[in-house]
Amino acid sequence: DAGVTQSPTHLIKTRGQQVTLRCSPKSGHDTVSWYQQALGQGPQFIFQYYEEEERQRGNFPDRFSGHQFPNYSSELNVNALLLGDSALYLCASRETGGTDPEAFFGQGTRLTVV
Amino acid sequence: QKEVEQNSGPLSVPEGAIASLNCTYSDRGSQSFFWYRQYSGKSPELIMSIYSNGDKEDGRFTAQLNKASQYVSLLIRDSQPSDSATYLCAVNPPGSSNTGKLIFGQGTTLQVKP
Repeated sequence: DAGVTQSPTHLIKTRGQQVTLRCSPKSGHDTVSWYQQALGQGPQFIFQYYEEEERQRGNFPDRFSGHQFPNYSSELNVNALLLGDSALYLCASRETGGTDPEAFFGQGTRLTVV
Repeated sequence: QKEVEQNSGPLSVPEGAIASLNCTYSDRGSQSFFWYRQYSGKSPELIMSIYSNGDKEDGRFTAQLNKASQYVSLLIRDSQPSDSATYLCAVNPPGSSNTGKLIFGQGTTLQVKP
C-alpha cells in the first residue's frame, strides 16, 4: 500500500516564476492538506482540500492556490515566487469521517527560490 | 503567545535514559494532540496521538495529556541513538476536528548520546 507520494522531491525556481507541486494521498484517504515548513520551524498549514473544494485555509496569500482532482490527488500552485517561499512543502492525507483521523505526510518537496 | 509552544532544545540525554519532551498549547478548546518525529531532511512521521486526559503508552513511548494545564508531553524510555530527531507537537484547534487541520510547535531537537 503506497503511502502519500509527492513530486518532485526537489525543485529550484527563480524569483517571480510559478511552481506546481503534486500529491497523491494514501489509499483510502480523501482529504489532502498542504503545509509549508521553513528551516528550523514547524510545518504551517496552507490549506485543505476535500471533495474537490478548498475546505479550510491558513494565513497564506492568494499567490498560494490549489486543486483537488476526482481521484483525490492534489496540486499546490505558487505564483510570483519570493525568496521567502523557499521551504519544504508537505502534503498530508487523511480520511474525513473515518475511524483513523490521523494525518500522514508525504516525503515533501524541497523548493528553493533563487 | 504562540498557539503551540515547545522548547527548541537541543535536549541531550545519554543512551538508555528517559527523554522528556514538553508542549503547551494556548486554545483551551483543542481536542486532539499528536507527536510527530522528524529526522533531518525527512518528513514528519506520526508516533503518538492522544485525545483524553491521562497517559497513553505505545512501546517505549508514553504520551501524557493534561487539558486543565494545557500541557502535552512525550516520554521516551530507554532512549536509543536512533531516537535522535526533532519531535513536533501538533494540536487540532477548535472547529477543526472534522478537517484535521494541525497547528505545530517549532519542534524539540533530541540528541541521544551513546
